[in-house]
Amino acid sequence: ETGVTQSPTHLIKTRGQQVTLRCSSQSGHNTVSWYQQALGQGPQFIFQYYREEENGRGNFPPRFSGLQFPNYSSELNETALQLDDSALYLCASSLFSVDSEAFFGQGTRLTVV
Amino acid sequence: GNSVTQMEGPVTLSEEAFLTINCTYTATGYPSLFWYVQYPGEGLQLLLKATKADDKGSNKGFEATYRKETTSFHLEKGSVQVSDSAVYFCALSDRAGGFKTIFGAGTRLFVKA
Repeated sequence: ETGVTQSPTHLIKTRGQQVTLRCSSQSGHNTVSWYQQALGQGPQFIFQYYREEENGRGNFPPRFSGLQFPNYSSELNETALQLDDSALYLCASSLFSVDSEAFFGQGTRLTVV
Repeated sequence: GNSVTQMEGPVTLSEEAFLTINCTYTATGYPSLFWYVQYPGEGLQLLLKATKADDKGSNKGFEATYRKETTSFHLEKGSVQVSDSAVYFCALSDRAGGFKTIFGAGTRLFVKA
């Protein structure tokens, strides 16, 4: 039991719409990272939040944005959805440390039609 | 930038066969190395890790040794079981990368009875 929960589990959106995905971190963890996992691929790093500030970003455009709240829960927001945004979005919580294990949620499956 | 390369799958083995999944990495700093596993229908979970050169991580009969000279972290198991069928991801995290975890593309393992 990882303690990381994501909502919703599945979502269908139309191209051009926006979406908000939510994540509740494991108790005691101060860092949250978001990943996009396309079918048959490894998780691609989107961004990381530490103490409510963005602490690193992968190769994703600004229409992907995030928030981390004082209770360490987090949101991922996407605007102007495109068909190739369809993927599994994973949230991972950890401590801000090089050898900290990342605990993953089950993910949100986003389908853009 | 940091990156992880692992052998392409799928890998198909008979029960009790020996398993090796190759993983090499590129990092600017001194990374910690991880193997994560994704069982069918489940989220990503840590299998094992090693935080410095020559460390050996082990769990559930799986082992991997951190080889700095060859920048490798190959996963091995002496005798696989059907229940080991899953997707395996090699990953790294380092201070220079802001502690974000970078994943390889994953290797799918099928074990036949």
